Amino acid sequence: GAGVSQSPRYKVAKRGQDVALRCDPISGHVSLFWYQQALGQGPEFLTYFQNEAQLDKSGLPSDRFFAERPEGSVSTLKIQRTQQEDSAVYLCASSSGTRGSPLHFGNGTRLTVT
Amino acid sequence: GQQLNQSPQSMFIQEGEDVSMNCTSSSIFNTWLWYKQDPGEGPVLLIALYKAGELTSNGRLTAQFGITRKDSFLNISASIPSDVGIYFCAGLRGGGADGLTFGKGTHLIIQP
Repeated sequence: GAGVSQSPRYKVAKRGQDVALRCDPISGHVSLFWYQQALGQGPEFLTYFQNEAQLDKSGLPSDRFFAERPEGSVSTLKIQRTQQEDSAVYLCASSSGTRGSPLHFGNGTRLTVT
Repeated sequence: GQQLNQSPQSMFIQEGEDVSMNCTSSSIFNTWLWYKQDPGEGPVLLIALYKAGELTSNGRLTAQFGITRKDSFLNISASIPSDVGIYFCAGLRGGGADGLTFGKGTHLIIQP
């Protein structure tokens, strides 16, 4: 596609519910990243995929967060038993994977946990 | 998580004025990027810098990659209303496509 597409744009969940956020990267982009952006802050790294391999998940805040990219294209970020502190915008980005290649971001999913 | 030191946090300027913002880090980055984020949207890449000392322009925007590789600045000349938004610097360390480290952003507000 022309850009990174994320869905849903907005998600409201009751505390304790599970949520799944989807990312469609730019076609052909090898690298895919998930970021969490709290209100008034810059994005913070969560996890990184190269094709289907999850090479870095050091930014995931707890074991309630899980990401997958089974076929090396679409990725899903799942949050189990959501808590209020999970409320944030979740941004997905992709890049071609070549040295220093810049990241192209989607418009994010705004998650509100009530 | 680690973030870059970006300043100023916010700027209130008159339309037509020039703008300058910068980013510093205690560690070295091999690539510096500047993004702009409008409300409800993801960050959009403005300028990418790949070499220490590099000075790059994109229209009214000019950015430089500091010689020490620990800082970068972004200048906007003759600001216009559509320049309003939040500007983020971001650094890449590794040789491959690794994750970005972001600053906390500079919120640019233009008064007519």
